[in-house]
Amino acid sequence: SQTIHQWPATLVQPVGSPLSLECTVEGTSNPNLYWYRQAAGRGLQLLFYSVGIGQISSEVPQNLSASRPQDRQFILSSKKLLLSDSGFYLCAWRPRSPPDTQYFGPGTRLTVL
Amino acid sequence: QKEVEQNSGPLSVPEGAIASLNCTYSDRGSQSFFWYRQYSGKSPELIMFIYSNGDKEDGRFTAQLNKASQYVSLLIRDSQPSDSATYLCAVNSPRSSASKIIFGSGTRLSIRP
Repeated sequence: SQTIHQWPATLVQPVGSPLSLECTVEGTSNPNLYWYRQAAGRGLQLLFYSVGIGQISSEVPQNLSASRPQDRQFILSSKKLLLSDSGFYLCAWRPRSPPDTQYFGPGTRLTVL
Repeated sequence: QKEVEQNSGPLSVPEGAIASLNCTYSDRGSQSFFWYRQYSGKSPELIMFIYSNGDKEDGRFTAQLNKASQYVSLLIRDSQPSDSATYLCAVNSPRSSASKIIFGSGTRLSIRP
């Protein structure tokens, strides 16, 4: 069966510090991968998606970036965090072929102080 | 017009009653429809998906789809306090190369004992 991991689970960072969040998927190959952010009490905002190694599409211009160095690894980064980067970061994967359901990882709660 | 619209709630339902959650979508080309449940502080969890017009039942949950009206609903029978959560409606984006799913902002459901 497939599983998706995210780490760290919780992170408190000062403004201006760098960020690296990691997501890995097990039990599948060639998945579509997604990064979402959910601000407190708000809906899901799609940040980045990837259809393959090295292929990244950005949905919202901001100070975040994403990379996919391996088939089942997706990384979210920032060089300098802003207060507005606080939120719940969710990685998700979706198989290429049907059934085309999407599954979320456990999330990383980021607080920028 | 939002691509996927849901009433934000909160929707308060007595324990044991039927909870009815509704969702409308704008893209007539959408073919896959999903319901996720999100407990406070947790990641969204897939509970139902439906592809064809009509009803699909899974335990206490029934998803209903009406493509002509661009309407999706979720019925929860015999509501339990553990059903209290935010329910996210999601619809596939057929024009996207990455099989993106568009999420509504969610309906908060509260089951009162």
